[in-house]
Amino acid sequence: AQKVTQAQTEISVVEKEDVTLDCVYETRDTTYYLFWYKQPPSGELVFLIRRNSFDEQNEISGRYSWNFQKSTSSFNFTITASQVVDSAVYFCALSEGGGYNKLIFGAGTRLAVHP
Amino acid sequence: SQTIHQWPATLVQPVGSPLSLECTVEGTSNPNLYWYRQAAGRGLQLLFYSVGIGQISSEVPQNLSASRPQDRQFILSSKKLLLSDSGFYLCAWSVRRVADEKLFFGSGTQLSVL
Repeated sequence: AQKVTQAQTEISVVEKEDVTLDCVYETRDTTYYLFWYKQPPSGELVFLIRRNSFDEQNEISGRYSWNFQKSTSSFNFTITASQVVDSAVYFCALSEGGGYNKLIFGAGTRLAVHP
Repeated sequence: SQTIHQWPATLVQPVGSPLSLECTVEGTSNPNLYWYRQAAGRGLQLLFYSVGIGQISSEVPQNLSASRPQDRQFILSSKKLLLSDSGFYLCAWSVRRVADEKLFFGSGTQLSVL
């Protein structure tokens, strides 16, 4: 069965600290897609990144980076030099290939960045 | 550009009352539409999706129903609300209905059933 686990319920850091949000997934499919979404206090989820199961290259976008490791079924998200504007709930999600985009979401990690 | 509108933002309803939440998408045609529910401390759960007018698929059995009377309008309803219907409801749309497609979300409705 598909499952996404975000073990960290809440993380609190001080501005400029680096922080890593963990995501572990379970799937039997060989083709699947992993996503990260950000939910700021305004409520709407904002797409951050998508990764397919055949591309294990890590990705960096500004202060954000993602580490995809199939060997450990993990897709972790790191924010470097965190800022107050990074405060939000972050969701990891899984979509299995071959079907429509039914996303299985983790429970989310609430990140609080303090000045 | 495409935008998605969802209303109301907040709603407090007594148990047994009806519900109607509305979502509209602008700037695109024939979007795929979705209703998700976010319970406190839990991830988002897909409730309904629609690939076209009048076409609704339900993902979980529940006290809610959905309708799509127009191409870019998606409505979530209930005839009689239960306490367990409380939660944060998010409408979303996508261009395609394939596994790697990203979703665009509305700002959500916080529903409290008392």
